Amino acid sequence: GAGVSQTPSNKVTEKGKYVELRCDPISGHTALYWYRQSLGQGPEFLIYFQGTGAADDSGLPNDRFFAVRPEGSVSTLKIQRTERGDSAVYLCASSQRPSNQNNEQFFGPGTRLTVL
Amino acid sequence: AQKITQTQPGMFVQEKEAVTLDCTYDTSDPSYGLFWYKQPSSGEMIFLIYQGSYDQQNATEGRYSLNFQKARKSANLVISASQLGDSAMYFCAMREGAGTYKYIFGTGTRLKVLA
Repeated sequence: GAGVSQTPSNKVTEKGKYVELRCDPISGHTALYWYRQSLGQGPEFLIYFQGTGAADDSGLPNDRFFAVRPEGSVSTLKIQRTERGDSAVYLCASSQRPSNQNNEQFFGPGTRLTVL
Repeated sequence: AQKITQTQPGMFVQEKEAVTLDCTYDTSDPSYGLFWYKQPSSGEMIFLIYQGSYDQQNATEGRYSLNFQKARKSANLVISASQLGDSAMYFCAMREGAGTYKYIFGTGTRLKVLA
């Protein structure tokens, strides 16, 4: 079956611009996660959705970052007034349900964002 | 303090040999889960293996096994019979506590399998 997909695969923008990154989770997965991976680092948690609501947005670095999931499926990560430090790979993951046991997350290929 | 520590930035292993990738973690919560992911150059994170804090036995998945030493807070990944396709970045991650679903990742280990 189809995995998690993310678009675009690459995004180059100028400092100060607004960008949107899209994530299509695996069909039927209720939980969706956004992570940011800087060069040479492991992914860092940004936000987690259970259904349509953001259950945990503690990883969003500041109020320039916002994410939505209006229908409980596709999610969009929005970054306003981009800065060069926002350059990274943004990873989306989904899981079948939130669980205290094995909560295997399935990751998409990521969107590489470059802010010039 | 680092929650997940991977001390080996890079490792080499000869094809068909076994290799151990180290991971130590730090938590005071009795309930947690430990994961290993593989990230090839394509960028996608591939789930390999999971170990729960209450699991009595070490997890195994095919050629992957997890050497879980709870008292030492280590969760090393063992890859047996290495293949050229195993060359990738490997990340250890922890889900900490009940009721939380985010992963905390280490900085990764780059494994190169030599022919």
